[in-house]
Amino acid sequence: DVKVTQSSRYLVKRTGEKVFLECVQDMDHENMFWYRQDPGLGLRLIYFSYDVKMKEKGDIPEGYSVSREKKERFSLILESASTNQTSMYLCASRTGAGGDTQYFGPGTRLTVL
Amino acid sequence: GENVEQHPSTLSVQEGDSAVIKCTYSDSASNYFPWYKQELGKRPQLIIDIRSNVGEKKDQRIAVTLNKTAKHFSLHITETQPEDSAVYFCAASGGSNYKLTFGKGTLLTVNP
Repeated sequence: DVKVTQSSRYLVKRTGEKVFLECVQDMDHENMFWYRQDPGLGLRLIYFSYDVKMKEKGDIPEGYSVSREKKERFSLILESASTNQTSMYLCASRTGAGGDTQYFGPGTRLTVL
Repeated sequence: GENVEQHPSTLSVQEGDSAVIKCTYSDSASNYFPWYKQELGKRPQLIIDIRSNVGEKKDQRIAVTLNKTAKHFSLHITETQPEDSAVYFCAASGGSNYKLTFGKGTLLTVNP
């Protein structure tokens, strides 16, 4: 059974702080993804990683960076948090290329004050 | 890049009725079309998917149809039940095969 976990369910930070969101999967998946979910906007891809140390920008990468030093862990970094980054952040993982199922984590609701 | 449009944004039906959610996509190279269900406060979960070499797929009360020529696909739920109430997302995987582009979601409410 695939398990994707995220470091926090709820997080409150102040404007200008550096924020780390972590995601861990236990199924040896090659691909990992970070999305943000906002009401009426669906799920938008921030960054994805198709292998260790590899990363590609998604549709809304501005203000974010990522790190993937180990296969099971994918971190999303907000270098200087801003109020417009208040959102639900969802991590997902997938076995590999070819349209396989993406498995989502429970999400982190980040509030930036 | 890929663009996925989803309609309607909200849908309310009576228990036992059918529900249909429609999506269109822009990239003719897209070849994988999943549907995710997200219950309130929970993570999105795959409920059904279809690949471009198939026109229709069924799983009990859920079916998905794909029209590659028109670049649209639809989710059909028959004999709806209150537990079907959730937000449903369609998605399309473009030529890169790495990323999914999601629609904006449909809030389905099934009234008892």
